Amino acid sequence: GAVVSQHPSWVICKSGTSVKIECRSLDFQATTMFWYRQFPKQSLMLMATSNEGSKATYEQGVEKDKFLINHASLTLSTLTVTSAHPEDSSFYICSARVLAEYNEQFFGPGTRLTVL
Amino acid sequence: GQNIDQPTEMTATEGAIVQINCTYQTSGFNGLFWYQQHAGEAPTFLSYNVLDGLEEKGRFSSFLSRSKGYSYLLLKELQMKDSASYLCASRKSGDKIIFGKGTRLHILP
Repeated sequence: GAVVSQHPSWVICKSGTSVKIECRSLDFQATTMFWYRQFPKQSLMLMATSNEGSKATYEQGVEKDKFLINHASLTLSTLTVTSAHPEDSSFYICSARVLAEYNEQFFGPGTRLTVL
Repeated sequence: GQNIDQPTEMTATEGAIVQINCTYQTSGFNGLFWYQQHAGEAPTFLSYNVLDGLEEKGRFSSFLSRSKGYSYLLLKELQMKDSASYLCASRKSGDKIIFGKGTRLHILP
């Protein structure tokens, strides 16, 4: 299947700092990528849909000024958590949609963010 | 998850068969996914159903009834490595995928 990478795989930062997470499609072009957040033993919650060359679409309740998304190329989307706080500590997962038989999404390995 | 219901936990024995049920909201429905997720890892794709019926893929099968808003994932010949969470996910129009909370499956030797 298609390969999606994320960097970093884990990050620890101080409260008030900003953290950037990269999501790359390695062997295909992705016009649409998705960003999810998952708290322990909870479901994946869709945060936003990232569209190449246009503004991201945020889900209700997700602050667009806090979670900045940039999808500048067909293989890269970035999520920046600005002024991070301990409650932002979570597992952040991106996925990329493949325009194939099922149009399924392939997930990156995730980034575990811990804010002290 | 948004109007997707599946059991929180299930336990089964190695070598046995287990069925994980899922019900979903039918409005805007555009397909049903099952993903497997091991602790601390990203989900991996298992199956996709858009038409009624059973899709078989090796030890795993998935069933869909669109009129009932119901799906199940059937796992046969269970192995210890099948211990994981199984996520039912509904695709809505616009390709947005909504995930259920997942079913944690424990396999006993």
